Amino acid sequence: ETGVTQSPTHLIKTRGQQVTLRCSSQSGHNTVSWYQQALGQGPQFIFQYYREEENGRGNFPPRFSGLQFPNYSSELNVNALELDDSALYLCASSLERDGYTFGSGTRLTVV
Amino acid sequence: GENVEQHPSTLSVQEGDSAVIKCTYSDSASNYFPWYKQELGKGPQLIIDIRSNVGEKKDQRIAVTLNKTAKHFSLHITETQPEDSAVYFCAASPGGTYKYIFGTGTRLKVLA
Repeated sequence: ETGVTQSPTHLIKTRGQQVTLRCSSQSGHNTVSWYQQALGQGPQFIFQYYREEENGRGNFPPRFSGLQFPNYSSELNVNALELDDSALYLCASSLERDGYTFGSGTRLTVV
Repeated sequence: GENVEQHPSTLSVQEGDSAVIKCTYSDSASNYFPWYKQELGKGPQLIIDIRSNVGEKKDQRIAVTLNKTAKHFSLHITETQPEDSAVYFCAASPGGTYKYIFGTGTRLKVLA
């Protein structure tokens, strides 16, 4: 059973640019959630996708958007990057609601 | 709003001693409470969870207790080992949602 894989592991972008982060769900999982984790903080909920539909969104602006594909993999897109977007972005998959399995994250640095 | 407070922020214990981490949640409709362990450079790993219809759950050296009336839940690790050193996060899932509200984390150091 494969776990949750995220790519890339590290990324450096310039303020104002756009970025796409990718996530492959654990086999058999139909729900993907994205979290932002600033240094020294707990993860903050960005949004969740269930069977390709957005199923809840946290307090993040519209320049954070996402997709879930038929194979349940997912993308997180961030437009017009700001310095404060620098963080670890975590993808988590689950079957229905409980027991997220997290990936190792993508460390995004905005300069 | 929805909030989870976690204490302490850092905790150092001698190997073999017990460690206790406490969390308080604000949304009384929360009904699922997972605990995650995060090691350096890795994503959080689920170590134990509890639902609101249960007061206590144990898995080997790890136990979680829940007091719904007080909106408190706690993680207990007995016979700590150096490999237990990590950052631990509690979380609460508000009723009717699929999101988790995480605490700010506790850095546990187990001293050999």
